[in-house]
Amino acid sequence: EADIYQTPRYLVIGTGKKITLECSQTMGHDKMYWYQQDPGMELHLIHYSYGVNSTEKGDLSSESTVSRIRTEHFPLTLESARPSHTSQYLCASRRGADGYTFGSGTRLTVV
Amino acid sequence: GQQVMQIPQYQHVQEGEDFTTYCNSSTTLSNIQWYKQRPGGHPVFLIQLVKSGEVKKQKRLTFQFGEAKKNSSLHITATQTTDVGTYFCAPPAGGTSYGKLTFGQGTILTVHP
Repeated sequence: EADIYQTPRYLVIGTGKKITLECSQTMGHDKMYWYQQDPGMELHLIHYSYGVNSTEKGDLSSESTVSRIRTEHFPLTLESARPSHTSQYLCASRRGADGYTFGSGTRLTVV
Repeated sequence: GQQVMQIPQYQHVQEGEDFTTYCNSSTTLSNIQWYKQRPGGHPVFLIQLVKSGEVKKQKRLTFQFGEAKKNSSLHITATQTTDVGTYFCAPPAGGTSYGKLTFGQGTILTVHP
């Protein structure tokens, strides 16, 4: 039973297009995160938020941007997609120091 | 800064054999979490360890936190094909328990029937 939803599940898009990856959670979690993961590789934090109107860049430099206007919604936007952005993007949320709940991810391919 | 090393990177076992993955940190950790990611799936939270020397069990899985809180291990007894996946350790980044996590490189477990 998923309490955190990511859409789309798969996306193939052309170079230069603007895209927004959606992430919504219904658990009322204050903290939300975006991780980037290539197949079989480790997770890299690219953005995080500890509450509404609070966003920070993560450890991995990313050309994407995020917003947190509502507690439950944490979308990620790429203004101009490039092939180097091809990856899986995982959204997660947590309350306090609890474990993360991850969404199913968006597999992005930029051609 | 904090560095986390997870070993081994890959482990192939026959069904019924035991499996262990280790997570080593260059700094003392306030706590550590473990996650499992099935092939094609997303990471799923397994457990959090907080106390020095803590041992927790979940059926065939045993989790340990070192006495110095700089290392942790996950041991699976009598592996099954359902154990296939990547196991990640994840200590807090920057020392605070309530913020972001740093994920280890992961151990990819393959179980041959």
